[in-house]
Amino acid sequence: AQTVTQSQPEMSVQEAETVTLSCTYDTSESDYYLFWYKQPPSRQMILVIRQEAYKQQNATENRFSVNFQKAAKSFSLKISDSQLGDAAMYFCAYRGTGTASKLTFGTGTRLQVTL
Amino acid sequence: DAGVTQSPTHLIKTRGQQVTLRCSPISGHKSVSWYQQVLGQGPQFIFQYYEKEERGRGNFPDRFSARQFPNYSSELNVNALLLGDSALYLCASSWGQLAGSGNTIYFGEGSWLTVV
Repeated sequence: AQTVTQSQPEMSVQEAETVTLSCTYDTSESDYYLFWYKQPPSRQMILVIRQEAYKQQNATENRFSVNFQKAAKSFSLKISDSQLGDAAMYFCAYRGTGTASKLTFGTGTRLQVTL
Repeated sequence: DAGVTQSPTHLIKTRGQQVTLRCSPISGHKSVSWYQQVLGQGPQFIFQYYEKEERGRGNFPDRFSARQFPNYSSELNVNALLLGDSALYLCASSWGQLAGSGNTIYFGEGSWLTVV
C-alpha cells in the first residue's frame, strides 16, 4: 500500500519570503502522480500543483514549484514570495495509475504567513 | 460553470441514526469519489463511482455505502452512526475513471457531520 508522510505539522514564513514544505512517499509502482493541495478555512481542497512521475522536469505554477526526487521518493513544495493568502493547510497526495481514482493524502502541514 | 456541489453543508445526527450526503459533480464529469476527513488528518478515500458503477472502495465498514445516478450525481449513506463518524465528508469529481494528465480531481467544500 502507498503511504505519504509529511513530517512538518506546522511551518511559518514571513510575507515575501520563501518556504519549503516536505513530503515523502512510499510506493512500489513506477508510474504515478503526485500533488500538493491547499485547504483554506473554507475546507475546499484546491489543487496547487501536480507532478507526473515519468517527467524528470520539476513542475512549476507561478510562485509554486516542486523538487521531485524519484529515487529518494521525495516531493517538496517551494512557495516563493509568500502572501497572506497562502496561509492554509497543505496536503501532499499520491495517485497511482490503477483502476480507482484514489488519492492517498499525508497528514498535512499548517502554513502560517506573518507580516 | 458550477464546481462540485455538496449538501447539506452541516448536519448533526445522533448515534445509531442514518445519514445521506449528496454530491453533484462538475458538468461533464462522470467520476465521483468520496473522502472522509477527520479533524487533524488528511482525507481518507471511501469510494469511487464511474458510469454508475463502484470502481474502488477504501477500508471502511459496510455501514458506508454509495450510489451514482444517471445524471452522475452521487449519494453517500452511512448507517448506524458512531461518534467516530464525525468528520468532514468531501466529494470529488473528474471526467474520467483513471489517472491521466488531463484527469484532474476537483473537490467540493464538504459536508460537516457531527454525531452526538
